[in-house]
Amino acid sequence: GAVVSQHPSWVICKSGTSVKIECRSLDFQATTMFWYRQFPKQSLMLMATSNEGSKATYEQGVEKDKFLINHASLTLSTLTVTSAHPEDSSFYICSARGSLAGVIKNIQYFGAGTRLSVL
Amino acid sequence: LAKTTQPISMDSYEGQEVNITCSHNNIATNDYITWYQQFPSQGPRFIIQGYKTKVTNEVASLFIPADRKSSTLSLPRVSLSDTAVYYCLVGPFGANNLFFGTGTRLTVIP
Repeated sequence: GAVVSQHPSWVICKSGTSVKIECRSLDFQATTMFWYRQFPKQSLMLMATSNEGSKATYEQGVEKDKFLINHASLTLSTLTVTSAHPEDSSFYICSARGSLAGVIKNIQYFGAGTRLSVL
Repeated sequence: LAKTTQPISMDSYEGQEVNITCSHNNIATNDYITWYQQFPSQGPRFIIQGYKTKVTNEVASLFIPADRKSSTLSLPRVSLSDTAVYYCLVGPFGANNLFFGTGTRLTVIP
């Protein structure tokens, strides 16, 4: 149980284009989903938190107009990097927290991550 | 959130028991201690969580002394596949803003 799927695993795009990353909880309902960014050899940094059906809460320094988060259902959240630039190249990881049997309520379960390379 | 301090790196031979200690001197009464494992280019994987004393699951044990100012993750008989970064996180039950510190990079040597 507690499987989080993230897609795509790797994406390359041209500067100025937008990229959408999907995060799905496959076997549980995710009341809260999270998006992190991780640069090489560094730790994870929380970008934003979202609850189903409501606007995401962004961490200080994260541009909400650049990193659009949609949490339309209890099993799906998307992160869209708008007008991507080379400095946005990073490893983006989502996580989900839910409340069904087999899922520890306060634990975040992570996806495999998406490596974004902006040329 | 309580600040945590872990060793930057550790080496161990295969088959040995590995203990990774995390210091969290300003842990709050309602804080839990959670450990994650992360392999390169993958998302973190939950290992274990505890509040006090000892917790054990099929993967690891977590030892927490009475003052809760530190905790020790114990991995029995490590194998090469346990080479990863291990993160200790401290925060209230269900906290949104988990803080991943630097973690401990464990290298298991044949």
